[in-house]
Amino acid sequence: GESVGLHLPTLSVQEGDNSIINCAYSNSASDYFIWYKQESGKGPQFIIDIRSNMDKRQGQRVTVLLNKTVKHLSLQIAATQPGDSAVYFCAETFQGAQKLVFGQGTRLTINP
Amino acid sequence: EADIYQTPRYLVIGTGKKITLECSQTMGHDKMYWYQQDPGMELHLIHYSYGVNSTEKGDLSSESTVSRIRTEHFPLTLESARPSHTSQYLCASSEWSGGTDTQYFGPGTRLTVL
Repeated sequence: GESVGLHLPTLSVQEGDNSIINCAYSNSASDYFIWYKQESGKGPQFIIDIRSNMDKRQGQRVTVLLNKTVKHLSLQIAATQPGDSAVYFCAETFQGAQKLVFGQGTRLTINP
Repeated sequence: EADIYQTPRYLVIGTGKKITLECSQTMGHDKMYWYQQDPGMELHLIHYSYGVNSTEKGDLSSESTVSRIRTEHFPLTLESARPSHTSQYLCASSEWSGGTDTQYFGPGTRLTVL
């Protein structure tokens, strides 16, 4: 069945460095992907999304890259700040699926 | 900022009690969801709804039940709480639009059953 997974459960970076969080998916039919950020004690918060007809999408300090050939999704955070500390989830779906499939999550820790 | 609300935020209750977790959204979204999540772990879908009078079980078996009498309201009920129900419960809503189906989450209810 379809699944979404993250390569690393934890990631530590120095403040000011760039962070890259990776995600692999297995369903070739997936055509819409979302990254969520979840801070401690809060619900997941939408960060950025991308459709399968795109390879790259940029937001404020964040960039999502989609490689459909290898079914890989990544979230790049530029100039990481302490407020970026959170668990990051990728999620996938396709038209008609009626629900998102969430990955395991990567905990991002920022070192001062 | 999404307009989706959950109450209570925290609940500590004894075994055998009946509880209802409330979820409301003011965005007029047709689709609503309940997820169960242990701290820092993945989300497990336990219930969802396509609209009024529609409810479906999710991927993770749950002893809870839900109802959808109004578009904006999607309460979750546990008839007899047990310690194994201790977890965080997240509510979300979405509306399929233009090929996207972004879910917006509430702040969650952290349930502890003693």
